[in-house]
Amino acid sequence: GAGVSQSPSNKVTEKGKDVELRCDPISGHTALYWYRQSLGQGLEFLIYFQGNSAPDKSGLPSDRFSAERTGGSVSTLTIQRTQQEDSAVYLCASSFGLFTDTQYFGPGTRLTVL
Amino acid sequence: AQTVTQSQPEMSVQEAETVTLSCTYDTSESNYYLFWYKQPPSRQMILVIRQEAYKQQNATENRFSVNFQKAAKSFSLKISDSQLGDTAMYFCAVRDNYGQNFVFGPGTRLSVLP
Repeated sequence: GAGVSQSPSNKVTEKGKDVELRCDPISGHTALYWYRQSLGQGLEFLIYFQGNSAPDKSGLPSDRFSAERTGGSVSTLTIQRTQQEDSAVYLCASSFGLFTDTQYFGPGTRLTVL
Repeated sequence: AQTVTQSQPEMSVQEAETVTLSCTYDTSESNYYLFWYKQPPSRQMILVIRQEAYKQQNATENRFSVNFQKAAKSFSLKISDSQLGDTAMYFCAVRDNYGQNFVFGPGTRLSVLP
């Protein structure tokens, strides 16, 4: 079946603009995760969803970041008033269940803030 | 808090040879999962191998195997008969039993040389 998909694959924006990143998880996966990978760094966990609920938003870097998930499927990560330090690859992953299952990653969105 | 250390930023190996990538971690959890992910230039994160901490037997997946030393908190990845397609960034990760803390190491860039 289809894997996790993300769009756009690349996004270039100007400082101060808002951006929306989209993640389509594997069908039937109830858990969805967002990560950020800055150049040369490991993955930084941002937020997870169990169904449409995000119980813990403390991983989001600032209040300019928000995420939502509707219908237990597609998720959107929104960054408002982008800054240059937001430049990174944003990876989404999904898993069948939150407690036991391996996460499968999408190809990521490369965000460049000029 | 969980931490993951990969002390080898870059490694290279000749095709068909064997290479071992190091990973040490720290966690206060009694039950957890360990992973190795591969990220080729395409950016897609691919699960290589997974180990449940309560299992003493080392996980193996074809040419990939781990050396899991629980007391030492060490989780190294051995790649046998290296192939050119193994060239990628390799991330070690630890995840608690509830999936809420998923921490990645900084990665090791592996180059397989012809």
